[in-house]
Amino acid sequence: AQKVTQAQTEISVVEKEDVTLDCVYETRDTTYYLFWYKQPPSGELVFLIRRNSFDEQNEISGRYSWNFQKSTSSFNFTITASQVVDSAVYFCALSGGVSGGYQKVTFGTGTKLQVIP
Amino acid sequence: KAGVTQTPRYLIKTRGQQVTLSCSPISGHRSVSWYQQTPGQGLQFLFEYFSETQRNKGNFPGRFSGRQFSNSRSEMNVSTLELGDSALYLCASSLAASGIYEQFFGPGTRLTVL
Repeated sequence: AQKVTQAQTEISVVEKEDVTLDCVYETRDTTYYLFWYKQPPSGELVFLIRRNSFDEQNEISGRYSWNFQKSTSSFNFTITASQVVDSAVYFCALSGGVSGGYQKVTFGTGTKLQVIP
Repeated sequence: KAGVTQTPRYLIKTRGQQVTLSCSPISGHRSVSWYQQTPGQGLQFLFEYFSETQRNKGNFPGRFSGRQFSNSRSEMNVSTLELGDSALYLCASSLAASGIYEQFFGPGTRLTVL
């Protein structure tokens, strides 16, 4: 069974602070994919990043960075110099199975980030 | 390129009724997944369709069903509505398997069961 844990339910930071959103996952699959999605107050989920289990390289995209560590089953997301527009609910998600397989995507419960001006 | 569209956006029904929600994926996308989002349970996977075949199903009762048409449009149906079915129902499309490719989400249908 797959499980994604986002222990932080809500986080508040002041604008320009850095913030890290934690994601811990459980899976028995050797091949799996991890995702982060953002759900702004407008409601529509937006894809941020995908990482497969064989690629442990960290990734940076502008103010966003992701740290994938298989040893601790974590895929954490850091926002540097947060802005009010970053206020949203962030979901970490996991899918497992062999390449080409149809495995359901399991979402974490989300972390609500509020950036205060 | 048009995004994922869902209709209707809002729906109010009473217990015992049935409801059909519609989803049009992004052109060229063959996979459509449905999710139920509630404050208490978060985002829960309902099912995924690919080329008109259900590829995966979540842990929901048989009252929840779906289908996909040859043009990739999808519908989900909930019969004998219960109060607990009140939720935001999200549809997502992806190029192929949703477990591998990024998903593009629609705005959702807000269902209220009275």
